[in-house]
Amino acid sequence: DIQMTQSPSSLSASVGDRVTITCRASQSISSYLNWYQQKPGKAPKLLIYAASSLQSGVPSRFSGSGSGTDFTLTISSLQPEDFATYYCQQSYSTLLFTFGPGTKVDIK
Amino acid sequence: EVQLVQSGAEVKKPGESLRISCKGSGYSFTSYWISWVRQMPGKGLEWMGRIDPSDSYTNYSPSFQGHVTISADKSISTAYLQWSSLKASDTAMYYCARQVQQLGPGYYYYMDVWGKGTTVTVSS
Repeated sequence: DIQMTQSPSSLSASVGDRVTITCRASQSISSYLNWYQQKPGKAPKLLIYAASSLQSGVPSRFSGSGSGTDFTLTISSLQPEDFATYYCQQSYSTLLFTFGPGTKVDIK
Repeated sequence: EVQLVQSGAEVKKPGESLRISCKGSGYSFTSYWISWVRQMPGKGLEWMGRIDPSDSYTNYSPSFQGHVTISADKSISTAYLQWSSLKASDTAMYYCARQVQQLGPGYYYYMDVWGKGTTVTVSS
């Protein structure tokens, strides 16, 4: 099975900060990597698919990069509504779509 | 508007059976898989399995295989997640999500529309 890890597990940041979250796969997954945002009490929301494609309607301050085993989600200028938990998810193995453990972004 | 509407919160006793539902609207229900995702209290997301509503083909995470059943009735655009014998450890929020298959070098799969979730509480 493909295991996903994320770092850091949590971070504190201020509005306007540039934030980078890392996701690592236990084996190469090419660009089959998605990012989701979840706010407390809400369903997850798709931000990025195929490692770097921005989902329609998602602000351009969100970007994704990487391929193989190492990926990043970057928020170029953190906004108040971006405080949430972020999950990566691999779709290389179509029999088991595993999520990373999540990264919580809160207010410094 | 594309949406997935999930059934309401459930409170059950251990050993009881349960089926929760997820109704799709605003799109061709048979053109997209439906995945189910569990979130235990205060924990992360766990992919449970998925169904292709066009032919009811399913596959499950090994962690959930044999403990839950995913089904669909395409005539009413509804997918289901069911348990035959609930445990206290099944207490969680359960989300359904539409799974897109987009042609790329292979196929990219991602969950673009989510239901609001169904809370299941299992307690004696």
